[in-house]
Parts: sequence; C-alpha cells; structure tokens
Amino acid sequence: AQKITQTQPGMFVQEKEAVTLDCTYDTSDQSYGLFWYKQPSSGEMIFLIYQGSYDEQNATEGRYSLNFQKARKSANLVISASQLGDSAMYFCAMRGGNAGNMLTFGGGTRLMVKP
Amino acid sequence: DSGVTQTPKHLITATGQRVTLRCSPRSGDLSVYWYQQSLDQGLQFLIQYYNGEERAKGNILERFSAQQFPDLHSELNLSSLELGDSALYFCASSQFGGHRTSQLRNTIYFGEGSWLTVV
Repeated sequence: AQKITQTQPGMFVQEKEAVTLDCTYDTSDQSYGLFWYKQPSSGEMIFLIYQGSYDEQNATEGRYSLNFQKARKSANLVISASQLGDSAMYFCAMRGGNAGNMLTFGGGTRLMVKP
Repeated sequence: DSGVTQTPKHLITATGQRVTLRCSPRSGDLSVYWYQQSLDQGLQFLIQYYNGEERAKGNILERFSAQQFPDLHSELNLSSLELGDSALYFCASSQFGGHRTSQLRNTIYFGEGSWLTVV
C-alpha cells in the first residue's frame, strides 16, 4: 500500500522568503510519480509540479521546485519568493504503477504567508 | 481553469435523500476520477472510470455509485444520505487511465468541486 505523510499541519512564512513543505512517502513500487497540489480557500485543487521516480533531475516549475531524495523517500516542495497568494493548503500525492492510476494524498500543510 | 467542469457547485439536502453530481472531463481526457474531501478523512479516492468502464475502486460506500457515459461525462450518485456524507466532492480527469509506467506523469486535473451539505 502507498502512504504519504506530511508532518507540518501549518506553517508561516514571511512574504518574499522561501519555504519548504515536507513530504515523505512509502511504496513498494519501483516506478511512481509524485505530485503537489495547491488548494486555496475557494476549494479548487491546482496542480503545481510533478516528479517521476526515475527522473534524474529535480523538477522545477517557476517558483516551485521539488527536492526529491529517493533514498530517503522524500519529495519536499520548495516555494521561492513567497507571495500573499501562496497562502493555501498544499497536498503531496503519489501515483504508483502497481497501486493503480489514482492519486494517494497526504494530509496537507496549511501555508500562511505574512506580509 | 483546469478544464474539468463540475455541477452543482453547492448543494444542500436532507438526510435520506439522493443527489447526483455531474462532471465533464477536460477535452480529450478519457479517465475520470471521483474523490471525497472531508475534514476528518482528508482526500479519499472513490472510483475511477476509463473510457466508460470502471477501472479502479477505492473507499466508495455501497450507497454511492457512479458511471461514465459514452460522451465521457460522469455522474456520481449518492443515496440515503447521512450527515457524515457532507463533504467536498471532486471530479478529476486525465488523458490516460492505464497502469503503464510511461503514463505516471500524466497529470490528473481537478474540477472546482461540489460542496455537499446534508442537514
């Protein structure tokens, strides 16, 4: 079975600073994908970034980057130059070949950006 | 805008009633997923359809059912509703629905969700 753990229920960050949101996972699959989603207070789930288990480089998408450490089974999201609009819930999710095509989600981290 | 459309956005109904949530996937996407998000259970996978056929089943109650139609839109039917069914129900879609390694990076896009309140 797959499991995603996000140990930070809530975090504060000062505007314009960088922040790291932690995500660890557990899987027996050799091939898997890791995703991060953002959920603002309005409720929608917004895809941010993807990292494949066999990708040699860490994924980056604009101000988002993924610090992927396969041996430690961690896939931390780094947000650079935080903005007030980054205040939201952030979910780490995994998809594995053997476990099916669906996403398994962590419990989420609420990020609050202070002006 | 993800391209996934869900209706209705908000719904209030009484216990024991039945409701239908509707989802139109992104153009070209063959796979549809339903998720339930509640405060105590987090995001739970319910069911997946691919090109009209059920592909995977998660923690879906027997009182709930879903289907995907030939035009690829999907409906989630919730019956004999209980207070605990109050949640945000998401539909999501992706282009593929298989288990191939090459498809792992195929992004799953979510709709804005349907807020269900059972009173």
